[in-house]
Amino acid sequence: GAGVSQSPSNKVTEKGKDVELRCDPISGHTALYWYRQSLGQGLEFLIYFQGNSAPDKSGLPSDRFSAERTGGSVSTLTIQRTQQEDSAVYLCASSSYREAFFGQGTRLTVV
Amino acid sequence: AQSVTQPDIHITVSEGASLELRCNYSYGATPYLFWYVQSPGQGLQLLLKYFSGDTLVQGIKGFEAEFKRSQSSFNLRKPSVHWSDAAEYFCAVGPNSGYSTLTFGKGTMLLVSP
Repeated sequence: GAGVSQSPSNKVTEKGKDVELRCDPISGHTALYWYRQSLGQGLEFLIYFQGNSAPDKSGLPSDRFSAERTGGSVSTLTIQRTQQEDSAVYLCASSSYREAFFGQGTRLTVV
Repeated sequence: AQSVTQPDIHITVSEGASLELRCNYSYGATPYLFWYVQSPGQGLQLLLKYFSGDTLVQGIKGFEAEFKRSQSSFNLRKPSVHWSDAAEYFCAVGPNSGYSTLTFGKGTMLLVSP
């Protein structure tokens, strides 16, 4: 596609439910990132995929968070048993060489 | 570990005035440096980047930034601010070899007064 696409754009979920956030990167980009943006906290790195290498999961805040990237393209970020502190905007980015292109984000609200 | 500091959380500038947003980084070698802008409800858009060479880089929308190795800084400037520049600005640093993540600062919110 022309850009990084994320879905849904907004998600409201009840505390304790699982959610899946989807990211369609730019075709041909080998790297894919997930970041979380909370008010006043900047961008918090979550996970990074590069080609066929093992993902860098060092930013995942707890074992309730997981992500996969199927076929080197689409990625899904899953949050299990959501908590109110998970409320944030989740941003996905892809890159082919250094420059990262961001999607519009998914605003997650846990009520 | 790499880190980015944007010391100003908010800055207010009059329309037509000049702008400088500060960014300091911590990195063990020469990094790749970026400035992104985020308008409300939008994703991040790349303004400019520094990889190597000329330390003064030009970007989109009339922005420029200067890499100063001795000061570990990469400040963003614009000679004349327009109301449409009101947004949040993020500085980011990445490694200049291999593939790895970008580390972002906490952002500076730019407000433009008439």
